Amino acid sequence: TQLLEQSPQFLSIQEGENLTVYCNSSSVFSSLQWYRQEPGEGPVLLVTVVTGGEVKKLKRLTFQFGDARKDSSLHITAAQPGDTGLYLCAGRRRDDKIIFGKGTRLHILP
Amino acid sequence: GAVVSQHPSWVICKSGTSVKIECRSLDFQATTMFWYRQFPKQSLMLMATSNEGSKATYEQGVEKDKFLINHASLTLSTLTVTSAHPEDSSFYICSARGGPLFSPTGEQYFGPGTRLTVT
Repeated sequence: TQLLEQSPQFLSIQEGENLTVYCNSSSVFSSLQWYRQEPGEGPVLLVTVVTGGEVKKLKRLTFQFGDARKDSSLHITAAQPGDTGLYLCAGRRRDDKIIFGKGTRLHILP
Repeated sequence: GAVVSQHPSWVICKSGTSVKIECRSLDFQATTMFWYRQFPKQSLMLMATSNEGSKATYEQGVEKDKFLINHASLTLSTLTVTSAHPEDSSFYICSARGGPLFSPTGEQYFGPGTRLTVT
């Protein structure tokens, strides 16, 4: 069974601080996605990383895929209250289905 | 980007009744659709995968006779929760993928979810 472990599960920091969320697995994924989900809504895709070592930037968000394609990180610079939400990493399995980590609930204090 | 809709957005039903949830891809043909379930404060759990015109494949532990999935066309999949019980109350989210499975260009798009409450 391919599992994705996300850490931390909860994070509450002050506006302006930096933070990193980690997504780890013992299995290799063909690609890894990061989603953001608001309460009562479906997840919205932020980024997909495919190549080991790949780094993608989305404004203040930086996503990195591990060299071995087993882990990923999401780094937010100068966090804003608008960044508050649930961040989910998801990996595409060998059977091409996407499974999710447990998520990181982020709260940015103004 | 591609849009996936779900209907209804929320539903309340009595224990023992059946509820049907629709998932539509609005501007693309979805050869494969996925159904997820999400309990409060938890992540999404994959329930089943459906391909147009064929039987759905279910993840381990998901009762296929309880959660009936039909993928009748390239834009519509339905999930029917049969003989619903309070423990079936959850947030059900569908996802649709354009192109064939194992396609490197097959991006997956998620619907807004359906909140089911069984009383």
